[in-house]
Amino acid sequence: KQEVTQIPAALSVPEGENLVLNCSFTDSAIYNLQWFRQDPGKGLTSLLLIQSSQREQTSGRLNASLDKSSGRSTLYIAASQPGDSATYLCAVRPRSNTGKLIFGQGTTLQVKP
Amino acid sequence: ETGVTQSPTHLIKTRGQQVTLRCSSQSGHNTVSWYQQALGQGPQFIFQYYREEENGRGNFPPRFSGLQFPNYSSELNVNALELDDSALYLCASSTQQGAYEQYFGPGTRLTVT
Repeated sequence: KQEVTQIPAALSVPEGENLVLNCSFTDSAIYNLQWFRQDPGKGLTSLLLIQSSQREQTSGRLNASLDKSSGRSTLYIAASQPGDSATYLCAVRPRSNTGKLIFGQGTTLQVKP
Repeated sequence: ETGVTQSPTHLIKTRGQQVTLRCSSQSGHNTVSWYQQALGQGPQFIFQYYREEENGRGNFPPRFSGLQFPNYSSELNVNALELDDSALYLCASSTQQGAYEQYFGPGTRLTVT
């Protein structure tokens, strides 16, 4: 059974700091992995999607990496800003069932001015 | 913002009642997935509809049911509401091609008292 874990559950950093969020998954048979952002009480905004054949994806200050063999992904945020404060969720799409996403519990990030 | 809309935004129901939540998919998308997100948790997959048929189901009891209409919009119905059904319900639309990337709506907050 695929399980997704995100550590830490919460993180507080001063503005301008570079930071890394971690995501691990137990079954390497994935189709792709996706990182989302969620503001309190809101829906999910897709940040980056990495196909299983890819190693990383970049968008602006965000960089996501994928190491399928070790079951790990990281989301790197450069030069953090208070507007980056949100919950970040990673989700894997199993190869056996591309119709669903399996989510971690998220990392809640606070960037202090 | 995605083109996925959900209604209503908030809903309060009493234990034992029935509820219907609605989702309009993004233009060009023929697949809708529903997720339940309890407070402080990651979303859990409920089921997916493709071309008006259920196309995969998570670990939810039969009192959770759905419909998809010819225009690809969808409904989630929950019978015999329980207190634990209180959650944010998210729908996501997608196609059955490429990365299967899902685009999420803003969610419906259901409170069961």
